[in-house]
Amino acid sequence: GAGVSQTPSNKVTEKGKYVELRCDPISGHTALYWYRQSLGQGPEFLIYFQGTGAADDSGLPNDRFFAVRPEGSVSTLKIQRTERGDSAVYLCASSLTRLSATQYFGPGTRLTVL
Amino acid sequence: TQLLEQSPQFLSIQEGENLTVYCNSSSVFSSLQWYRQEPGEGPVLLVTVVTGGEVKKLKRLTFQFGDARKDSSLHITAAQTGDTGLYLCAGSSLNYGGSQGNLIFGKGTKLSVKP
Repeated sequence: GAGVSQTPSNKVTEKGKYVELRCDPISGHTALYWYRQSLGQGPEFLIYFQGTGAADDSGLPNDRFFAVRPEGSVSTLKIQRTERGDSAVYLCASSLTRLSATQYFGPGTRLTVL
Repeated sequence: TQLLEQSPQFLSIQEGENLTVYCNSSSVFSSLQWYRQEPGEGPVLLVTVVTGGEVKKLKRLTFQFGDARKDSSLHITAAQTGDTGLYLCAGSSLNYGGSQGNLIFGKGTKLSVKP
């Protein structure tokens, strides 16, 4: 497709389980970002990739959160030992280059931890 | 810490009315963006402003960046029901030691335009 895609669109899991959220950026975009949006809040930055490397992971809340982008395209956000407080919409965005101001967002994955 | 404050948080108006949404910070941003988000979707970029004092128009929407690049406003003229949505402002985090690119978002203004 032409835009950023994210799968699954919804994920319900139990406390303590492991989840993976996938992001497929716009073809050719070298920069990829993960954000988390809690109810009633704006998106909150988690991690930013330039190519295959994580250029800034300062927004990851703790070591249960990890993200990879092994081939510089698709990225996976991994959450271990999920907690109820992890429930949120996880948004992925991509931009053409690191310096490009325009970030294109995917529809998000709504994660619910029971 | 909320670095970008938006006001009002909620706004309900009748079709045809005008409105202004504000985005304020105590710090300078290299650029500021406005997004609109609908339920179940990601934010969609409306405009980017980069120069202090800059004014940009997008049909009935007028965006202004403050002279000191610390604040911005979005003005909608003759609102329509299709304008309903969550309006988010976002600034580059460059001034907070983050890498260039990741954005700091406000909480958003939830606009409802009634027919």
